Amino acid sequence: LAKTTQPISMDSYEGQEVNITCSHNNIATNDYITWYQQFPSQGPRFIIQGYKTKVTNEVASLFIPADRKSSTLSLPRVSLSDTAVYYCLVVPYQAGTALIFGKGTTLSVSS
Amino acid sequence: DSGVTQTPKHLITATGQRVTLRCSPRSGDLSVYWYQQSLDQGLQFLIQYYNGEERAKGNILERFSAQQFPDLHSELNLSSLELGDSALYFCASSVVSGSFTDTQYFGPGTRLTVL
Repeated sequence: LAKTTQPISMDSYEGQEVNITCSHNNIATNDYITWYQQFPSQGPRFIIQGYKTKVTNEVASLFIPADRKSSTLSLPRVSLSDTAVYYCLVVPYQAGTALIFGKGTTLSVSS
Repeated sequence: DSGVTQTPKHLITATGQRVTLRCSPRSGDLSVYWYQQSLDQGLQFLIQYYNGEERAKGNILERFSAQQFPDLHSELNLSSLELGDSALYFCASSVVSGSFTDTQYFGPGTRLTVL
């Protein structure tokens, strides 16, 4: 499985756009990039998943360049409630595969 | 609410004891995964069941075992407990509908404290 590298922590203020970049140099052709969010003492929650280019949903956007060696999770106009740990995962194109979590990025949003 | 339920929410026990954690997956999900989250090890995959059969094993100790029942709920059994087993234990479920990466939905977790 491809190893991911992301910043340990990031700080932001309410209303700002936050971009968290993840590096996955050894990503395989059949791998997808998936992001999860985790609040303290809660289970991780799926945010977004993509294969290439750009994916957008109601909470975030995911940008993946052509070489797919990195990806950027973009959170528009963060609020205090976005303070959480964000995990970037590379998941094989095969349903029912266990998730391998790294250390994640702790995002702290202040007012 | 993810639709995955876990009981109990909290469990306090002593070293050497045995406990059972229970998980009910989302309706329609066939696969259950167990994860352990501790401060020093982070979130680690333990074991996966699919439709009653063990499908994958991760960093699960021999003192730990799991099963998935015909109604698809799952139990994680932890025995000969040690202080280091204190952690949050999460269950997740997914549909596993064939050929693509399906989303895993996590339960609220069981916090185990071994004294």
